[in-house]
Formats: sequence, C-alpha cells, structure tokens
Amino acid sequence: DAGITQSPRHKVTETGTPVTLRCHQTENHRYMYWYRQDPGHGLRLIHYSYGVKDTDKGEVSDGYSVSRSKTEDFLLTLESATSSQTSVYFCAISESRVIQYFGAGTRLSVL
Amino acid sequence: TQLLEQSPQFLSIQEGENLTVYCNSSSVFSSLQWYRQEPGEGPVLLVTVVTGGEVKKLKRLTFQFGDARKDSSLHITAAQTGDTGLYLCAGNTGNQFYFGTGTSLTVIP
Repeated sequence: DAGITQSPRHKVTETGTPVTLRCHQTENHRYMYWYRQDPGHGLRLIHYSYGVKDTDKGEVSDGYSVSRSKTEDFLLTLESATSSQTSVYFCAISESRVIQYFGAGTRLSVL
Repeated sequence: TQLLEQSPQFLSIQEGENLTVYCNSSSVFSSLQWYRQEPGEGPVLLVTVVTGGEVKKLKRLTFQFGDARKDSSLHITAAQTGDTGLYLCAGNTGNQFYFGTGTSLTVIP
C-alpha cells in the first residue's frame, strides 16, 4: 500500500469554526490532491499541488484553501466550516499524473 | 461539472453472471482509470488505459478505452461475491482528474 496517512480520520465540528485536514505521504510523489466524496456526485477535486508551494484550484474550491510547505504534507483548510462541507475527504498522490493512490479518508461532520 | 457519466448507477446480479459498466464523456482524456472502492476505504486502482482502442484484461475483468479516448467500459465475467463494491472511472486532462459518479455493484450468492 502507498504510504498515505490522513488525519484526523473522523471529525465533528460546529458551523463557523476553522478546520484543517492533513495528508502525509512517505512516497515522495510530486502531485497531491484533495477530493470530497458525496452521494450522487462521486469524487470531486477541491485543490491539487504539483510541487512544494505550487497549488491550483479544482472543480469545487470555494470555501477551501490548501498549503504545501514540504513534499510530504498537504493541508486542506476550511476557514469557516459550513454544513454543506459535511463530506468524506480523500487525499491522493501521484508521480505520473496517470496513477493515483488514495488515503483512507476523513469523515467530516459540520453541525 | 460532471464530465464523466457512468451507467448503470446501481447493479445487482447473481453470482456467475456477466456484467458491463459504461463510462462516457464528450471530452477527450489523456488516460482513463478504473477504481474499486470498499465502504469506509479509499478507491483502489484497478487499471489505467492510455491508448485509444486499448483493451486490458485483469483476470475476469476486461477494460476497454474507446477509439476517440472519450469513453470506456468494464466487463466482468462470471461475477463473484468478492466483486461487490463501488466502481469508479476517472479521466485525466493535464494535472486534473475527473471522476464519474460510480456504479454500485452487488453480487448475490
């Protein structure tokens, strides 16, 4: 299995609070991605990174920001969480842009 | 924006039957991947196809990439209960990946 660790695995928070999810990899892959998975929508790309300090927006980036200060860590921040951001969040890594390896996911509930 | 449409959305079949899942788009992709996802876990890559018309076989699973690189299919022969899961197709253009909505397969013993 690819070395990808997501933390926390589960989180319950209140509307309006900031939340940061962490993705840590031990594979030294260049590309890292954050997705959310919701029923009826499949996986949708939030943000991705193509190198340290190099990030770009995905399909559903509003309300989210990311940072990558080291190759191995990619952080996803919800500045002020809303109920519509209740979802399962997946981190993925890729070296080739052809194959992605996924973490186990973080289940976030915003009450 | 849903670039990839998967069909059917749900599929329930008896063990031993054959099935085909379709992944269609109006967009051209550099490559297309198929993943399987179990409840509570992340998607796991099954195959990547990169050439139009390419056919890949993985034991009882056959994957085909359309000639125009806009669509793909997954065929399972003699389904087993272990094939149960959510099947996702994904296409990539440049740095981004776009996923289909998934096909939830249940194989009944």
